[in-house]
Amino acid sequence: DTEVTQTPKHLVMGMTNKKSLKCEQHMGHRAMYWYKQKAKKPPELMFVYSYEKLSINESVPSRFSPECPNSSLLNLHLHALQPEDSALYLCASSQDGTSGRHRYFGPGTRLTVT
Amino acid sequence: GEDVEQSLFLSVREGDSSVINCTYTDSSSTYLYWYKQEPGAGLQLLTYIFSNMDMKQDQRLTVLLNKKDKHLSLRIADTQTGDSAIYFCAEILMDSSYKLIFGSGTRLLVRP
Repeated sequence: DTEVTQTPKHLVMGMTNKKSLKCEQHMGHRAMYWYKQKAKKPPELMFVYSYEKLSINESVPSRFSPECPNSSLLNLHLHALQPEDSALYLCASSQDGTSGRHRYFGPGTRLTVT
Repeated sequence: GEDVEQSLFLSVREGDSSVINCTYTDSSSTYLYWYKQEPGAGLQLLTYIFSNMDMKQDQRLTVLLNKKDKHLSLRIADTQTGDSAIYFCAEILMDSSYKLIFGSGTRLLVRP
């Protein structure tokens, strides 16, 4: 099973809303990632969690707040977003964060900020 | 700095072979990847090759690696309309970040 699941599939939110994106994997992977993908571009790394600890933050604005409650779950809390934050948000997981190989991606959450 | 380059677009007729090319810069990469992204979907890990290999075959997919020229290619035999998608080449950086560096993606259009 190489499945990473993400909810919701689509999300529309206003600039004053607070919402959360969720990601789950049951492959026993100990590294989980958030990526942002704009149309016609490759994914851009936002955050890396390794063994449930934040190991990389790619200078992401504080209106994005990640959380890793346990080794299977990864959340991304959103608050006071801007229209330019509209994008496809992809979660990924891999065996561990030190070698980081064989990253498996979820289907993504399509976020629209109005 | 690190850079992965791909051509932007490829159009082939159904039943023909497709070859998507990629060049990368980090000679110490251990793994190189091909991901497929269909419209509105996430990235699917199609195949990967370890850097000490020259070729890997997996059903209709053949990956060729030329380490000297830092060139990677993906050949899809008997291309089908369901193969229409964006294909991303990616390499793993072997510094402490182990970041996955993506190319810009090649859009493959398969004509009936």
